Amino acid sequence: GIQVEQSPPDLILQEGANSTLRCNFSDSVNNLQWFHQNPWGQLINLFYIPSGTKQNGRLSATTVATERYSLLYISSSQTTDSGVYFCAVEGKAAGNKLTFGGGTRVLVKP
Amino acid sequence: DTAVSQTPKYLVTQMGNDKSIKCEQNLGHDTMYWYKQDSKKFLKIMFSYNNKELIINETVPNRFSPKSPDKAHLNLHINSLELGDSAVYFCASSQGRLEQFFGPGTRLTVL
Repeated sequence: GIQVEQSPPDLILQEGANSTLRCNFSDSVNNLQWFHQNPWGQLINLFYIPSGTKQNGRLSATTVATERYSLLYISSSQTTDSGVYFCAVEGKAAGNKLTFGGGTRVLVKP
Repeated sequence: DTAVSQTPKYLVTQMGNDKSIKCEQNLGHDTMYWYKQDSKKFLKIMFSYNNKELIINETVPNRFSPKSPDKAHLNLHINSLELGDSAVYFCASSQGRLEQFFGPGTRLTVL
């Protein structure tokens, strides 16, 4: 099946800093989503981005499907950005099944 | 206005017991899923239903039995619970192969 790798595994930021999270995947995808799992365990949809670039406030994401990677940018980080960020992909042959990466654990210090 | 809801939020039970988790979505989606998140936060799909029909059944022990009474509901019944079943179980829904939306999770602890 499709492999999904996220980097870095851990990230410690000072409030106000910018950062980039990366997601590499091993095959063509039909769907790619970024999620934020907050400290209370909720999985919050950030982006549905099988290709192209999207922005939502301080967050933006870019997926280059032909090169099999996606980037999530966090600008002017806030303590509420802390949590785990997951990339999940649906391979074209997978059918309705998201395969999750291992996540990037982000801690934003005040 | 909860989009995907699950009950209960927490479930603590003894080994060997049988338990159920319920999921409901009010998004009008036709596809629903169960995912399991282990203690290392790794998320993996278990089952998927489309229009009440099972379309994905990963290598899950047959003690786990999903049931979809209608498009808006997907329940998970677990027989003879084992210590290794302790995890957070997430329900999700989507319209076909589009964006998936997740419920708040059910934390299952087997003692």
